[in-house]
Amino acid sequence: NAGVTQTPKFRILKIGQSMTLQCTQDMNHNYMYWYRQDPGMGLKLIYYSVGAGITDKGEVPNGYNVSRSTTEDFPLRLELAAPSQTSVYFCASSPTGDTQYFGPGTRLTVL
Amino acid sequence: RKEVEQDPGPFNVPEGATVAFNCTYSNSASQSFFWYRQDCRKEPKLLMSVYSSGNEDGRFTAQLNRASQYISLLIRDSKLSDSATYLCVVKGNFNKFYFGSGTKLNVKP
Repeated sequence: NAGVTQTPKFRILKIGQSMTLQCTQDMNHNYMYWYRQDPGMGLKLIYYSVGAGITDKGEVPNGYNVSRSTTEDFPLRLELAAPSQTSVYFCASSPTGDTQYFGPGTRLTVL
Repeated sequence: RKEVEQDPGPFNVPEGATVAFNCTYSNSASQSFFWYRQDCRKEPKLLMSVYSSGNEDGRFTAQLNRASQYISLLIRDSKLSDSATYLCVVKGNFNKFYFGSGTKLNVKP
């Protein structure tokens, strides 16, 4: 099993550009999550999903969108990137909604 | 008030020392609690889940105090490899998780 994979590993965006962060898991987990982690801070939940076709907002959803058309994939969309979205983005999955397994992260810089 | 609060440290301890971290949470209805370990520039990895009265895993012991709304992590016989940031995580309402900012541990030879 590859576990949770994220692409890209690094990305630099200009203000106003858009991009999609990809997240895929091969563990057949129903629950998936997107977090952002700013320097020296804990992770903050952006969006989560309890199964294909179901998504909900977390603590900091503004400026982001998600979709969950399959169990495996949970892409995060940034429309109109802003410097405040410079962060490390982690995707995670969970079989039961408790223990989470994280991907390696995407480091995003918006200039 | 933050959902989860931790002392950021750093805690600098010699090898073989015992060290303890505390974490407080604000939602008294929280049911699930976890400690994750995060190495520099890496993803968090589960260290321990903490349920009911707490649990032990080798050199690591986690305790839960519901009345005071805090959880603790005790590391005995510290190893150099224990150097990392330890994240306290609380599961709140509606499947939402709240992370503390982390406590940094440096174990010195």
